[in-house]
Amino acid sequence: DIQMTQSPSTLSASVGDRVTITCRASQSISSWLAWYQQKPGKAPKLLIYKASSLESGVPSRFSGSGSGTEFTLTISSLQPDDFATYYCQQYNSYLWTFGQGTKVEIK
Amino acid sequence: EVQLLESGGGLVQPGGSLRLSCAASGFTFSSYAMSWVRQAPGKGLEWVSAISGSGGSTYYADSVKGRFTISRDNSKNTLYLQMNSLRAEDTAVYYCAKEATSSPYPYWYFDLWGRGTLVTVSS
Repeated sequence: DIQMTQSPSTLSASVGDRVTITCRASQSISSWLAWYQQKPGKAPKLLIYKASSLESGVPSRFSGSGSGTEFTLTISSLQPDDFATYYCQQYNSYLWTFGQGTKVEIK
Repeated sequence: EVQLLESGGGLVQPGGSLRLSCAASGFTFSSYAMSWVRQAPGKGLEWVSAISGSGGSTYYADSVKGRFTISRDNSKNTLYLQMNSLRAEDTAVYYCAKEATSSPYPYWYFDLWGRGTLVTVSS
């Protein structure tokens, strides 16, 4: 199985901050990586696919980069609606696996 | 409206069975692979099972293989998860999720999720 490791597990930030979350794969997954946002009690929402493609309707302050084994999700200017937990997911191979999540909290 | 609506969750004793359903609407159901993803209380997301659009191919996480069965009825636009021999560690919110782009296996990520249904395994 491909293991996905996110860092940090928790991030404290203020509105307007630039935020970066890292996701590392245990082996190369090319660019087959998605990012999701989840708020408490809600289903996950797709933000980014194929490492850097922005899902329709997602604000442009979200961006993704990376390939191979190291990936980043960046929020260029954190907004109040962005406080949530973020997950990466690899889809290079079965079994599809998620990172453990990064919670973005208000500082 | 494009949506997924899960049902069938509840409280069940260890060793018991439960069948989850996911009703899809607003898209051509048979064109997309579907998955079940679960989330234990306070924990992260865990992919559980997937099925191709035709229903001809199925996939399972090791943690549920041999106990859970995924199926679909494309005439009813409905996805199912039959869960047998349930354990306490199966307690979670179960989400159904739609694969995004009719891509070939295994290039599946998820662009539409249901609200989830809670399964609690406890005596």
